[in-house]
Amino acid sequence: DIQMTQSPSAMSASVGDRVTITCRASQGINNYLAWFQQKPGEVPKRLIYAASRLQSGVPARFSGSRSGTDFTLTISSLQPEDFATYYCLQHSVHPFTFGPGTKVEIK
Amino acid sequence: EVQLVESGGGLVQPGRSLRISCTGSGFLFGAHAINWVRQAPGKGLEWIAFIRTEAYGATTEYAASVKGRFTISRDDSKDTAYLQMNSLKTEDTAVYLCSRYSLSDWAFTFDLWGQGTLVTVSS
Repeated sequence: DIQMTQSPSAMSASVGDRVTITCRASQGINNYLAWFQQKPGEVPKRLIYAASRLQSGVPARFSGSRSGTDFTLTISSLQPEDFATYYCLQHSVHPFTFGPGTKVEIK
Repeated sequence: EVQLVESGGGLVQPGRSLRISCTGSGFLFGAHAINWVRQAPGKGLEWIAFIRTEAYGATTEYAASVKGRFTISRDDSKDTAYLQMNSLKTEDTAVYLCSRYSLSDWAFTFDLWGQGTLVTVSS
């Protein structure tokens, strides 16, 4: 099975900060990687698909990139509504696997 | 409106069975594979099951944690996918979510989610 290692597991940041979250796949998954945002009591919301394609309607401050088996979600300028938990998901090979999540909290 | 709606959750005793449903509307349900994902209280997301479209034989995939106990199926005449859960354990307690998956266009993979149905396994 492909393991997704996500870092950091939690972080504190201020409004306006640049935030970077990383997922590393245990083997190659090409671009079969999506990023999700989840707020308490809500269902996951897809932000990025195919590693770097922005979901329609998602603000352009969110971006995704890939370098080999390392994937990065970047929030260029953190906004109050961005405080949430973020998950990566590989869907290259079954079983699909989520990263353990990164909780972004207010500093 | 394009949506997925889960139903059928509830309280069930350990060792018993439960079937939950995921019904789609506003899109061509039969053209999409369906995933089930669960989230235990206070925990992260866990992918658990997948069913391809009838065009791909409606073949299935499972996470190790549910393989042999859970069965995913679909009835495209009802725009509905099911998750039959047998031999339930307390650790199966979670919100169960379904999500669509296009086998031909990544834009429609995990882009649409239901609101979830809570399954509580307890004596």
